[in-house]
Amino acid sequence: SQTIHQWPATLVQPVGSPLSLECTVEGTSNPNLYWYRQAAGRGLQLLFYSVGIGQISSEVPQNLSASRPQDRQFILSSKKLLLSDSGFYLCAWSVRRGSVNTEAFFGQGTRLTVV
Amino acid sequence: GEDVEQSLFLSVREGDSSVINCTYTDSSSTYLYWYKQEPGAGLQLLTYIFSNMDMKQDQRLTVLLNKKDKHLSLRIADTQTGDSAIYFCAERAYSSASKIIFGSGTRLSIRP
Repeated sequence: SQTIHQWPATLVQPVGSPLSLECTVEGTSNPNLYWYRQAAGRGLQLLFYSVGIGQISSEVPQNLSASRPQDRQFILSSKKLLLSDSGFYLCAWSVRRGSVNTEAFFGQGTRLTVV
Repeated sequence: GEDVEQSLFLSVREGDSSVINCTYTDSSSTYLYWYKQEPGAGLQLLTYIFSNMDMKQDQRLTVLLNKKDKHLSLRIADTQTGDSAIYFCAERAYSSASKIIFGSGTRLSIRP
């Protein structure tokens, strides 16, 4: 069966420090991978998605970047965190079955607080 | 571009039906989803509907799709305290089939 791992669960970082959040998927090949952010009291914003190794699509200009060094690994990074980067970060995956993409399956999320 | 909108809050009495509404803008949407998020957790898929369907029922859940008005609703029958959560509507657009766009979420609270 497929599983998704996202870590850490919580993180408190000072302003200006770097960030690296990691997400890995098991039990599937060539998944679509996603990073979403949920800010306090707001909805789910798509930050990045990837359809393959090294292929990253960015949805909004921001202080963050994403990389996909391996098929089932998706990393969210920042060189210098801002206060506005605080939020709940969710990794998700979906797969293509023929011409159809499945629904998204989510990790448990990382709560990032920038202080 | 794609946009999905929902009201932010809904309060219902235990045992009543809850109806959560969603509107979307992309007429080429293929799949529309409802997810549930409990406090501090990730999102769990509740149900989904393909764009060529009008209705889908799954136990206490009924999804209605009005494609002409681009309106999606989720009805929860006999609402229980365990249904308290944030409910997200989401769409997958055919034109960019890898992307899934979410609404802002509706916080459902249950009163006794």
